[in-house]
Amino acid sequence: AQRVTQPEKLLSVFKGAPVELKCNYSYSGSPELFWYVQYSRQRLQLLLRHISRESIKGFTADLNKGETSFHLKKPFAQEEDSAMYYCALNTGGGNKLTFGTGTQLKVEL
Amino acid sequence: DTGVSQNPRHKITKRGQNVTFRCDPISEHNRLYWYRQTLGQGPEFLTYFQNEAQLEKSRLLSDRFSAERPKGSFSTLEIQRTEQGDSAMYLCASSLVGGTRSRQHFGDGTRLSIL
Repeated sequence: AQRVTQPEKLLSVFKGAPVELKCNYSYSGSPELFWYVQYSRQRLQLLLRHISRESIKGFTADLNKGETSFHLKKPFAQEEDSAMYYCALNTGGGNKLTFGTGTQLKVEL
Repeated sequence: DTGVSQNPRHKITKRGQNVTFRCDPISEHNRLYWYRQTLGQGPEFLTYFQNEAQLEKSRLLSDRFSAERPKGSFSTLEIQRTEQGDSAMYLCASSLVGGTRSRQHFGDGTRLSIL
């Protein structure tokens, strides 16, 4: 069965410090992974997807099939990065998403 | 493009009552998804439509739950005989599916509280 694991419920870093939000997945098919973000009082929105291999707001994520991971990274955290981050796996037919439990990122001054 | 719209934003009801939520997707989107999110968890898939056809339902969707998308535009999710465990945020998302996989756009959700 497909599963997405985000081991940290809360990650607190200082402004300017590097950030790494961990995501591991379990899926027998060819994975398609996403990071979604929810800022305070806003709706869930797509941050980035692995097939695009893009950097959004300074964040990057690389799919590592050997380690079944899709960790989200940013070299220098900003205050506005404080939000809830969800890793999600597209589980094939219909493109329905399986989400992790989320990591609350808090960037302190 | 006003995005995905969900109504109502909040619904408080007594156990045993029926409730209905509405989702208006982005107008040209042909796929519509319903998810449920409980406290401390990520969204969990419930069901999805392509145009008016309901193509998949999760095991989470008991027989008290029914969803429709009659004209391939807006969708409704009805819960009959609500139970305490139905308290959650119900999220709707839509996407446009063409030749490649597409991103899902989420609404603000409807928060259901069962007294």
